[in-house]
Amino acid sequence: DGGITQSPKYLFRKEGQNVTLSCEQNLNHDAMYWYRQDPGQGLRLIYYSQIVNDFQKGDIAEGYSVSREKKESFPLTVTSAQKNPTAFYLCASSFAGQVSYEQYFGPGTRLTVT
Amino acid sequence: KQEVTQIPAALSVPEGENLVLNCSFTDSAIYNLQWFRQDPGKGLTSLLLIQSSQREQTSGRLNASLDKSSGRSTLYIAASQPGDSATYLCAVGMNRDDKIIFGKGTRLHILP
Repeated sequence: DGGITQSPKYLFRKEGQNVTLSCEQNLNHDAMYWYRQDPGQGLRLIYYSQIVNDFQKGDIAEGYSVSREKKESFPLTVTSAQKNPTAFYLCASSFAGQVSYEQYFGPGTRLTVT
Repeated sequence: KQEVTQIPAALSVPEGENLVLNCSFTDSAIYNLQWFRQDPGKGLTSLLLIQSSQREQTSGRLNASLDKSSGRSTLYIAASQPGDSATYLCAVGMNRDDKIIFGKGTRLHILP
């Protein structure tokens, strides 16, 4: 059963704590992405990775970090430097590139920081 | 800078009606355009992907059209059902900088 999994579905953290969101895919996709979605807003790209051990900043990378040690996994860390971390976070993957191939999305993680 | 607009932000229609959702974009130099569906609290599901050289794509009761020169795309839903209630997002792929720009979506409610 191929797809993208994100865990956990809901995450609560105190301000000042770092938190890591998990994203795993078994679609054999090379490229993976992290987006942030706020109410009434379009998706905004945080980071993306086109190949293992390489990743690029998106439009709103400040306060976030990622790693890509395995093709299947692309965890996102929300650091204490992110000023407004409460949001819905979506992970996606595709065969290659952002534009050329259809993106497949995970179910999302809702992060609440108080 | 590419901007993607979806109007209206919300729409309610009675079950059984045909309806059209609109998406407009400011820069016509697009690579492709994709329509997604998002249920509350869930991820996005791809509905239709139209390449820049195509005029339309169809899947079941859904038909998406693309008019690059006027910067517009429409998603036509035939014989709407309560299960069609969701937010529909339009996303434009820009080959120039390999970016996808999302609209804010139209929240659709089908009244039983």
